[in-house]
Amino acid sequence: NAGVTQTPKFQVLKTGQSMTLQCAQDMNHEYMSWYRQDPGMGLRLIHYSVGAGITDQGEVPNGYNVSRSTTEDFPLRLLSAAPSQTSVYFCASSTTYSGQRSGNTIYFGEGSWLTVV
Amino acid sequence: SQQGEEDPQALSIQEGENATMNCSYKTSINNLQWYRQNSGRGLVHLILIRSNEREKHSGRLRVTLDTSKKSSSLLITASRAADTASYFCATDNQAGTALIFGKGTTLSVSS
Repeated sequence: NAGVTQTPKFQVLKTGQSMTLQCAQDMNHEYMSWYRQDPGMGLRLIHYSVGAGITDQGEVPNGYNVSRSTTEDFPLRLLSAAPSQTSVYFCASSTTYSGQRSGNTIYFGEGSWLTVV
Repeated sequence: SQQGEEDPQALSIQEGENATMNCSYKTSINNLQWYRQNSGRGLVHLILIRSNEREKHSGRLRVTLDTSKKSSSLLITASRAADTASYFCATDNQAGTALIFGKGTTLSVSS
């Protein structure tokens, strides 16, 4: 029962470095998304994907890049890390795109704690 | 932008007491969901209520929805220390492409 798996769990980056947060799900979900969680801000959507080969921007996409080459994987790339990107990142998935309005449950990974110094 | 806003931001109660958290939202919805987050963990789905439902139960959880007031409440009865967590309401965005979460209510249950 792996569900949604995120790696790494913790990462410290220097300003300007790039890195990729990995996300994989084994539930054959079409829909995947990335959120960031900051104190007092709740969860904010970065990018999402409704299926392999299709991605779109969320509320706070600047400084991040995504791709969806397979159904299982949805990596999040930080192009040039900035201290403002210090946050906890959550990957999430659900069965179908059309399901959001139908109320499909979203399954979350355990989070990746990123610190940019 | 936030669709749902939880109230209160923090709540401290004793074991055995009931805990009530409220969520207000801005635009019309098809459904509203509640999630729970234990410290240092991901969010876990608790319950979903559809716009044509007024009340829903799941174990010790009771959720109500008042679409005329654009508000929902989550009641946890007979709270336990293990209920200590943050609770979030979530609604779909206008495009139906993502869930939008509130800032959450942090519940602390002491024994």
